[in-house]
Parts: sequence; C-alpha cells; structure tokens
Amino acid sequence: NAGVTQTPKFQVLKTGQSMTLQCAQDMNHEYMSWYRQDPGMGLRLIHYSVGAGITDQGEVPNGYNVSRSTTEDFPLRLLSAAPSQTSVYFCASRQEHSGANVLTFGAGSRLTVL
Amino acid sequence: AQKVTQAQTEISVVEKEDVTLDCVYETRDTTYYLFWYKQPPSGELVFLIRRNSFDEQNEISGRYSWNFQKSTSSFNFTITASQVVDSAVYFCAPHTGTASKLTFGTGTRLQVTL
Repeated sequence: NAGVTQTPKFQVLKTGQSMTLQCAQDMNHEYMSWYRQDPGMGLRLIHYSVGAGITDQGEVPNGYNVSRSTTEDFPLRLLSAAPSQTSVYFCASRQEHSGANVLTFGAGSRLTVL
Repeated sequence: AQKVTQAQTEISVVEKEDVTLDCVYETRDTTYYLFWYKQPPSGELVFLIRRNSFDEQNEISGRYSWNFQKSTSSFNFTITASQVVDSAVYFCAPHTGTASKLTFGTGTRLQVTL
C-alpha cells in the first residue's frame, strides 16, 4: 500500500495564480484532512472530510477550497495564491472520523508564493 | 474548544541524558484522546502514541515513556538515554470524541548532540 500520496512535493507560484494540491489514499479511509505547517505555529487544520461528498472547514479555511468526489481523493485548491499561503501542506487520513483512530500523514508539499 | 500548550520551544541535551517534553491541554469533553507525533528533520510526521482519557496508566515503550495526569491536564513525554536520532520536533495533539479535529501544539524541537 502506498498510504497517503501528495503531489507535488514542491511548488513555486506567483501571487494570484491558482493551483491544486493533490492528495490520494489507498486505505479506504473515510476521513481526510489538510493541515498547513508554519514556523512556530504547529499544524493548523484547513479543511476536512468525513466521507465522499462531505467537507467542512477547519481552523484556517480562508483562501482554500476542497471537494471530495471519491473516497480516495481530497484535493486542496488555492484559487488566487497569496504570499501568506507560503507553507508546508500535509494531507492526512484515518479509517473513520472517530478520534480513536490514528492519522496517517502524507510526506508534505512545500509551497512558495512570490 | 481544545487548546494545547507545549511551553518548551526548543530543548538541547547531550546524548544519553534523559529529557521530558511537557504538554498541557484544555478540553471540556470527558471523553478524548491524546496523541504524540514526531517530525524528524526529513519532515514526515510519525505517530508515537495514543492515550484515551479513561486510561491514566503510564506507558513505557523502550526508551520512551508517557505520564498522563488527568488532574493536571498534562501528558508529558520522557526520552531516557537520548540519542542523536531522537533529534526532531515533537507534537502533542488532543482530540475529542465529538469533533473530527486533531489540534496540534506548536511543537518542541529537541536537539541531541554528541
């Protein structure tokens, strides 16, 4: 099993450009989420999904869109990138939304917005 | 809302020293889970331990041990006889049973030198 796969690993954007960070898991996990990691801030939840067709906002959702059309995929869209979105992004999944289950993380995607 | 405090931003120790990483959390829920994750210099997030709120027994796993004290809302992590490979950022993360959100602390960076 590949686990949680994120692409791309690195990306440089100009302010105002759009892009999509891809996340796919092959573990049939119901729950998927996106975090961003900034120095001194830990990981902050952007959006999450408890199943196909269901998404909800996390702590820092502004500037990001998500959709969950399949169980496997949970893409994160930046519609108009801003320098404040320069960060490392992690996708994570777990079997179901109960907190008892352990999150499995992807390797991360480093995004720089100039 | 959950809140977690990792007051130690950075700790430096010499190899073979014992080191304790502190974690204090706030939650109004009676049922919750507590996690520790490790982020080595390579950047991936590695699950270390999960503890539920009903189980206050301390846990030992090799050189790692965890002290959970519900009365003080603390879930501290001790590494005995530290090694250079323990150098990483360590995150404490509480999760309540009613919310699909894992809240991360800001992390403690541990540097172990020879």
